[in-house]
Amino acid sequence: QVTLRESGPALVRPTQTLTLTCTFSGFSLTTSGLYVTWIRQPPGKALEWLALIDWDGDQYYTTSLRSRLTISKDTSKNQVVLTMTNMDPVDTATYFCARSTLRFLEFDYWGQGTQVTVSS
Amino acid sequence: SYELTQPPSVAVSPGQTARITCSGDALPEHYACWYQQKPGQAPVLVIYKDTERPSGIPERFSGSSSETGVTLTISGVQPEDEADYYCQSTDSRASLFGSGTKVTVL
Repeated sequence: QVTLRESGPALVRPTQTLTLTCTFSGFSLTTSGLYVTWIRQPPGKALEWLALIDWDGDQYYTTSLRSRLTISKDTSKNQVVLTMTNMDPVDTATYFCARSTLRFLEFDYWGQGTQVTVSS
Repeated sequence: SYELTQPPSVAVSPGQTARITCSGDALPEHYACWYQQKPGQAPVLVIYKDTERPSGIPERFSGSSSETGVTLTISGVQPEDEADYYCQSTDSRASLFGSGTKVTVL
């Protein structure tokens, strides 16, 4: 059974760095052809893809946030970590992690999401 | 920049057919997926590779593609189909979601 769960702070101050962890089970990110990705959704707005890491450690980022994002994996812990620097109130959103078997597409299992508010 | 365009809303009576379109320049070259999202929940994949339906997704959900884009069709809409629907595709360098369509069941 594949599950993913996001964890991290609910409140972040402007200019701080956000660190989110996706802990998963039911698959290994050392398996060829598997990917874990991060997506966010501001309140009342659309989904926005952020970053993806594959089984080989290759990383991909959305162009608009590339300079602020880092995605990494710890295969021994079955975790994928996303860091986002210089947080701003416009980054307030629910952050989801998801698994896919096709790069950039077909996110077949999702976590329940974690809500992050950026406020002073 | 590459965008996927969806109508903001679609309203349909129970038992009728809802069609949601998604257009984008790269769609003829890349597959599209569709997700259903209900309030307070994570999205659920309902269509992949333009037309394929994951196991557990009702047969009333179907997808199609043409030169102008892709379409999600919900035949015989049920009250529980009221949700936001997002298309997704890629330009080979990134993933992209559409702007979302709210389906209201009258």
